[in-house]
Amino acid sequence: EVQLVESGGGLIQPGGSLRLSCAASGFTVSSNYMTWVRQAPGKGLEWVSFIYSDISTYYADSVKGRFSISRDKSKNTVYLQMNSLRAEDTAVYYCARVDHGMDVWGQGTTVTVSS
Amino acid sequence: QAVVTQEPSLTVSPGGTVTLTCGSSTGAVTSGHYPYWFQLKPGQAPRTLIYDTSNKHSWTPARFSGSLLGGKAALTLSGAQPEDEAEYYCLLSYSGARNWVFGGGTKLTVL
Repeated sequence: EVQLVESGGGLIQPGGSLRLSCAASGFTVSSNYMTWVRQAPGKGLEWVSFIYSDISTYYADSVKGRFSISRDKSKNTVYLQMNSLRAEDTAVYYCARVDHGMDVWGQGTTVTVSS
Repeated sequence: QAVVTQEPSLTVSPGGTVTLTCGSSTGAVTSGHYPYWFQLKPGQAPRTLIYDTSNKHSWTPARFSGSLLGGKAALTLSGAQPEDEAEYYCLLSYSGARNWVFGGGTKLTVL
């Protein structure tokens, strides 16, 4: 079964760091374009980051310079390293496979940035 | 940064037809923006209904269709069902797919 499972969310203080994981099964992340999307409480969807290859990574202006996307072929996992976290980064974070029409989404992991 | 606009809310009668639109502050939406449409219900992950303007997934009900209409991307629901009540988001790609922007979402009520 093709599946994505996010983990790593939690409560973190402003200025802190967190790494989200998105573990894939049923397909290989290194052969697919992958993305992270978030939804803040009471707000709409926001695109966060995209990875085409290890050297083709893109970010929304709101996270550029603070977040970093990567993937580990051996673990078949995509990561989102989040540094210098702000209250406005509080959201449910979803990963998705972009190939095949963004057909696979994870269930989301919640990040709360608060003191 | 481009701004993508959607109707904040729409209401459709059961069995009726409604069109949701997705515009871009940079000009006309084209197939080069690779428009996506997602359905979002409370407590659930987004579900992709339409990709690349008009392509459907196997789970996309036949009553949903995507198109380009008057310089915007459009999602048409023909024969609305109560279970279609949800938020709908479009997503456009810019700068050779280096930047993606969601619309603000449309809350669709079936009433």
